[in-house]
Amino acid sequence: GEDVEQSLFLSVREGDSSVINCTYTDSSSTYLYWYKQEPGAGLQLLTYIFSNMDMKQDQRLTVLLNKKDKHLSLRIADTQTGDSAIYFCAESGSGGSNYKLTFGKGTLLTVNP
Amino acid sequence: DADVTQTPRNRITKTGKRIMLECSQTKGHDRMYWYRQDPGLGLRLIYYSFDVKDINKGEISDGYSVSRQAQAKFSLSLESAIPNQTALYFCATSDGLAGGVDEQFFGPGTRLTVL
Repeated sequence: GEDVEQSLFLSVREGDSSVINCTYTDSSSTYLYWYKQEPGAGLQLLTYIFSNMDMKQDQRLTVLLNKKDKHLSLRIADTQTGDSAIYFCAESGSGGSNYKLTFGKGTLLTVNP
Repeated sequence: DADVTQTPRNRITKTGKRIMLECSQTKGHDRMYWYRQDPGLGLRLIYYSFDVKDINKGEISDGYSVSRQAQAKFSLSLESAIPNQTALYFCATSDGLAGGVDEQFFGPGTRLTVL
């Protein structure tokens, strides 16, 4: 079955860049997502990338996709303490299977002052 | 006001008790989902519903049942709770636009402890 893997922990200093990595196994994945979960809250979609794209930038966030290696990364520039959260990588298919998200286990990002 | 609400936010119960978790949404979405989150395991889909008459099992439906009372309401029941159902439960909704990205909007979660 589909699998999404990501490292469980990342610690960075405030102001540095953070890079969270993710690998997936399903070659038919159409959309790849990054969700953020702040303490005591539900998940919130940060950004997503379509599988025919290599890169997507949105303010401090840069998503890179290497479809050949099935590798996805999320770079957060100028990381702030408010970025401390769990970040989930997820993938889905398209059309009738676009609802079915397969999540990674989540990466806990800790930002130190 | 929050678009997706869940009640209760926290619940402690005993083994064998029946529990119902409720979810309401004001987003007007057709699709609703129940997930459970366990530490180190990510989120797993329990049940999902594409409309009031369409309910489907997810990855881990055993021991759970659901009811879609209206477009805006989707309840999850544990008929006889057991300790390994202790987890954080999330409801989510999406609008199900055909073929496009289907962003899911999550509620704040219900923390359930079964003793």
